[in-house]
Amino acid sequence: GAVVSQHPSRVICKSGTSVKIECRSLDFQATTMFWYRQFPKQSLMLMATSNEGSKATYEQGVEKDKFLINHASLTLSTLTVTSAHPEDSSFYICSARWLAADNEQFFGPGTRLTVL
Amino acid sequence: GNSVTQMEGPVTLSEEAFLTINCTYTATGYPSLFWYVQYPGEGLQLLLKATKADDKGSNKGFEATYRKETTSFHLEKGSVQVSDSAVYFCALKTSYDKVIFGPGTSLSVIP
Repeated sequence: GAVVSQHPSRVICKSGTSVKIECRSLDFQATTMFWYRQFPKQSLMLMATSNEGSKATYEQGVEKDKFLINHASLTLSTLTVTSAHPEDSSFYICSARWLAADNEQFFGPGTRLTVL
Repeated sequence: GNSVTQMEGPVTLSEEAFLTINCTYTATGYPSLFWYVQYPGEGLQLLLKATKADDKGSNKGFEATYRKETTSFHLEKGSVQVSDSAVYFCALKTSYDKVIFGPGTSLSVIP
């Protein structure tokens, strides 16, 4: 089956530092990956669409200089939260689209970021 | 625009009770519809899906039928178990492959 992994699963950092989150499709190639953010007891909000080899497309209201996305290969996308602040604390989830599976999206397990 | 509405939670049921979680959607065109489940502290898992009108998705005893006339995709299970306690998200996927999630419904099943 299609598996998407995220690393790390949890990260705690100090305010002002940058944090990188990796999203990998383990057994399929994904030309498109998506990054979501989930606040406690709330739904997932799409942050950006990441396309391999090109710039990410950000949703309205998402700061692209704050949330840097790099999709360097067909199996890896990274989200870097730059100069993190406590309000960036959240659960970040990625998904990867698999063309061979009728464009179904497979979700990673999520990364919980806590900024002190 | 596209949106998904779900019944408010939390929902608390006794084991073996019947479950219904209502979901309605607004969308242009003919979206695919999904139910995802999120167990505490974990990511999302696809529970079931339907890609066109009148399709019925089913998995692990859960069912949902794509009703175009009522723009609904209600989730049902005949007999819930404690292990079904989780948050359930109804979602639609647009023609641009963006997945739009409902607010989620928390389900607690007590023995």
